[in-house]
Amino acid sequence: DAGVTQSPTHLIKTRGQHVTLRCSPISGHKSVSWYQQVLGQGPQFIFQYYEKEERGRGNFPDRFSARQFPNYSSELNVNALLLGDSALYLCASSAGLSSGNTIYFGEGSWLTVV
Amino acid sequence: AQSVTQLGSHVSVSEGALVLLRCNYSSSVPPYLFWYVQYPNQGLQLLLKYTSAATLVKGINGFEAEFKKSETSFHLTKPSAHMSDAAEYFCAVSDLGYSSASKIIFGSGTRLSIRP
Repeated sequence: DAGVTQSPTHLIKTRGQHVTLRCSPISGHKSVSWYQQVLGQGPQFIFQYYEKEERGRGNFPDRFSARQFPNYSSELNVNALLLGDSALYLCASSAGLSSGNTIYFGEGSWLTVV
Repeated sequence: AQSVTQLGSHVSVSEGALVLLRCNYSSSVPPYLFWYVQYPNQGLQLLLKYTSAATLVKGINGFEAEFKKSETSFHLTKPSAHMSDAAEYFCAVSDLGYSSASKIIFGSGTRLSIRP
C-alpha cells in the first residue's frame, strides 16, 4: 500500500506569492494533519482535518488555510508568503481522531521563499 | 499541557557503542509517547510508541525505549550503533487535552552521529 504522498516535493516562491501544497493520505485514513518544520527545529502543528472538517488549528496566522476533499486528500494554502515561511511542510494521516492512533508522515514538501 | 524536552541537541557515538537519547515529558495525564527518526532530506518515520500497555517498548531497527513515570522519562536506546543510524531523532507526545483533535507535540530533536 502507498504511504502518505505529498506534492510538490520542492518549490521556490517569491515573497507575497501564494502556494498550494497537496497531500494524499494512506488508503482508509480519514484524518489528515499538517505540520511545519523549520530547519533545525521539530515539526509544529498547523491543522488537523477529519471527515472534511477542521478539527484543530495550531498557532499560525490566517494566511494559512487548508481543506479536505471527499476522497480525504487535503490541500494546504499559504497566502502572502514571507521569508519565514520557508520550511519543510509535512502531511500526516491517521485512521481517526483518537490520540492512540499512529500518525504516519509523508516525505514533505520543501518550500523556499526568496 | 503536554510537552517534551530532549536533552542534548547532538550526540556522537562510535559504531558498535550504546546509543542513548534522552527525553523527558511533562503531562498531567498518562501520555502517549513516540520516537520518530528523520533521515536527511526525508520525512518522519515512527520508531516506536508508548500507549501504556508495557513500560518497555520495542521498535524498529533494534531501538527500544522505557517509560519511567517516576522520572517522567522516555529515553531511547540501542545496544550497538550502526552507521545507518545517523539521523535526527524526535521525541513526541500526543496532546491529549486538545479538544476533539489529536496532535503531536515534538521535541527539538537530537542529531545522532556515528563515528567509524
